Amino acid sequence: SAVISQKPSRDICQRGTSLTIQCQVDSQVTMMFWYRQQPGQSLTLIATANQGSEATYESGFVIDKFPISRPNLTFSTLTVSNMSPEDSSIYLCSVQGGLSYEQYFGPGTRLTVT
Amino acid sequence: GQNIDQPTEMTATEGAIVQINCTYQTSGFNGLFWYQQHAGEAPTFLSYNVLDGLEEKGRFSSFLSRSKGYSYLLLKELQMKDSASYLCAPEVGTGTASKLTFGTGTRLQVTL
Repeated sequence: SAVISQKPSRDICQRGTSLTIQCQVDSQVTMMFWYRQQPGQSLTLIATANQGSEATYESGFVIDKFPISRPNLTFSTLTVSNMSPEDSSIYLCSVQGGLSYEQYFGPGTRLTVT
Repeated sequence: GQNIDQPTEMTATEGAIVQINCTYQTSGFNGLFWYQQHAGEAPTFLSYNVLDGLEEKGRFSSFLSRSKGYSYLLLKELQMKDSASYLCAPEVGTGTASKLTFGTGTRLQVTL
């Protein structure tokens, strides 16, 4: 299985600011995904980030609010822009690819916006 | 659109067997994942079914019926550490276009 790390693990931010979350994988993977999990809720897919192409956003999520980079096959970033308290959530990156169909999750970034 | 239905909560006794059901209505269905998520932690992969039938992996088994849009996760010989949320996630699309949609999850409480 892939080993995935995320930075930061948690942060408290003021409204109106932006935070960039990093996701690093220990092996090359084709597909990386960014999810949001609000308190007591299940996971919601924000976007799919494949290396060499623009990220594909799900309904309700836009690039201006959640810009994503995928510069290589082991790394991706998600920025939460112009934050509001409604953005308080856990953000998780996930990977799929290589020789496995399995999708693995990073440990998550717990974001609190005040 | 996607519609995934699973029970919100279940309680079972240590040592028992529990079955968590999931029904789904999705377009472009490819397969179905089950994940376990302990409180405050990231989801961990349990199983993936593409073909109809039962897949057994130790104490955990997963079943899929594509024609009925139905899956279940079977947990045997329950242990206290199995108390967690169990997430049903149909996969739609294939290759670089595949993605998962998660149900709301079933919170399982294992009691003595």
